[in-house]
Amino acid sequence: AQKVTQAQTEISVVEKEDVTLDCVYETRDTTYYLFWYKQPPSGELVFLIRRNSFDEQNEISGRYSWNFQKSTSSFNFTITASQVVDSAVYFCALSEKGGQGGSEKLVFGKGMKLTVNP
Amino acid sequence: DTGVSQDPRHKITKRGQNVTFRCDPISEHNRLYWYRQTLGQGPEFLTYFQNEAQLEKSRLLSDRFSAERPKGSFSTLEIQRTEQGDSAMYLCASSPRGRGRRNEQFFGPGTRLTVL
Repeated sequence: AQKVTQAQTEISVVEKEDVTLDCVYETRDTTYYLFWYKQPPSGELVFLIRRNSFDEQNEISGRYSWNFQKSTSSFNFTITASQVVDSAVYFCALSEKGGQGGSEKLVFGKGMKLTVNP
Repeated sequence: DTGVSQDPRHKITKRGQNVTFRCDPISEHNRLYWYRQTLGQGPEFLTYFQNEAQLEKSRLLSDRFSAERPKGSFSTLEIQRTEQGDSAMYLCASSPRGRGRRNEQFFGPGTRLTVL
């Protein structure tokens, strides 16, 4: 069965610090997708990135970067020069092909609450 | 560009009452998911629709829960005889057609249910 583990539950940093959010996953499939979502205090889940299992290239988008390592089943997320607006709960998620009826439901980790203090 | 909308945003009810939530997906999206999120946890999958057909249901979806998507557009989730354990945020997500995009799920703001 699929499983996503976010070992850190809460991190507090001071603005401009870099912070890395860890994500480790388990799956038996060779084809799968990994995601990061942000959930600000308003509650809506905001999509940040999707990565498929065949693409281990790291990605950078502005202050965000992602490190995918299949060998360690990890998909870590780094925020560089954090800002107060980055304060939110961040979720890592996994989806597999082959669900019933073509479902590609997401399996989420428990989330990591990031607080960035001014 | 309208996103996924959910109504109501908040619902307070007494134990034993029935409640119904509505989700309006992004208009061209044919896939729709319901998730439940309890405090301090990640969302958990409840059910999946492709167009009007309900194709997957989680074991979390007890017989007190029913979901519909009658014309393949909006969806409703009904909980009968609510229990305090049903208190949670109920999230709806939709995803588009297209081989490369079907698992990009866009979430609505959620309906927060409190059962007293």
